[in-house]
Amino acid sequence: DGGITQSPKYLFRKEGQNVTLSCEQNLNHDAMYWYRQDPGQGLRLIYYSQIVNDFQKGDIAEGYSVSREKKESFPLTVTSAQKNPTAFYLCASSIGGQPSFGEGSWLTVV
Amino acid sequence: AQSVTQPDIHITVSEGASLELRCNYSYGATPYLFWYVQSPGQGLQLLLKYFSGDTLVQGIKGFEAEFKRSQSSFNLRKPSVHWSDAAEYFCAVGGIAGGGNKLTFGTGTQLKVEL
Repeated sequence: DGGITQSPKYLFRKEGQNVTLSCEQNLNHDAMYWYRQDPGQGLRLIYYSQIVNDFQKGDIAEGYSVSREKKESFPLTVTSAQKNPTAFYLCASSIGGQPSFGEGSWLTVV
Repeated sequence: AQSVTQPDIHITVSEGASLELRCNYSYGATPYLFWYVQSPGQGLQLLLKYFSGDTLVQGIKGFEAEFKRSQSSFNLRKPSVHWSDAAEYFCAVGGIAGGGNKLTFGTGTQLKVEL
C-alpha cells in the first residue's frame, strides 16, 4: 500500500546527542515536510523540500537539519543545539497541494 | 504571512447534537483550506479540503465545511455527533504559489463528546 512511514515511533535521547528520525514515502510525491507538534500549539513547520537535493527552512528550523538525497526519503536530524526537542514529530508529503501525513514519532529527552 | 485561528480550544457536545468548529484564516491569495482530525498519539487524517468551486464541501465521516471568503472563514460542521468523533481537529491553510504547499495550522480544537 502507498503511504508514509516514520520510524522509530518512540525515541529517547540523552542530552547532547544527535538523533535522526526517518521518513519514507512511496507515493511518488515531490514535496516533503517535517512538522513539530507541541500541546496547545498546533503543528509548526521545521523544514520542507520540493525536489531532490533542495530544501528550505520552515518557521522553527534552528537546531534541526535535513537531507533529501532521494525522492522517497527525507530524514530529520535533531541536533544537540535544539534546546527543547521533546515533542511529537510529523512527516508529510504532497503533490498537487494536498499533504498526507505519517503516523508520527515521539522524541523524549532523558 | 498566512495564519489560522481556531478560537475554541475545547468544545464539549452531547452525542447526537450538532457541531460547528470555527476556523478563520489569513492568506494573501486564493487559499487552499483543510480540516484534519487527530486521535491521541496518531498522525493526521484529512477530513475535507477546499481548493476552488462550490463553497460547501463534503468530507468523510459526515463532516462538511463552508468557505466564506467575505468572512475569511472555513467552519467545520456535523449535524449529529457520534462518540467516536471525540478527537482533536485542526484547520490549515496553504497554497501552491511560491514555496510549495506550506500548510499553516491552527492550534487545534479538542472535541469531547458526552454520552
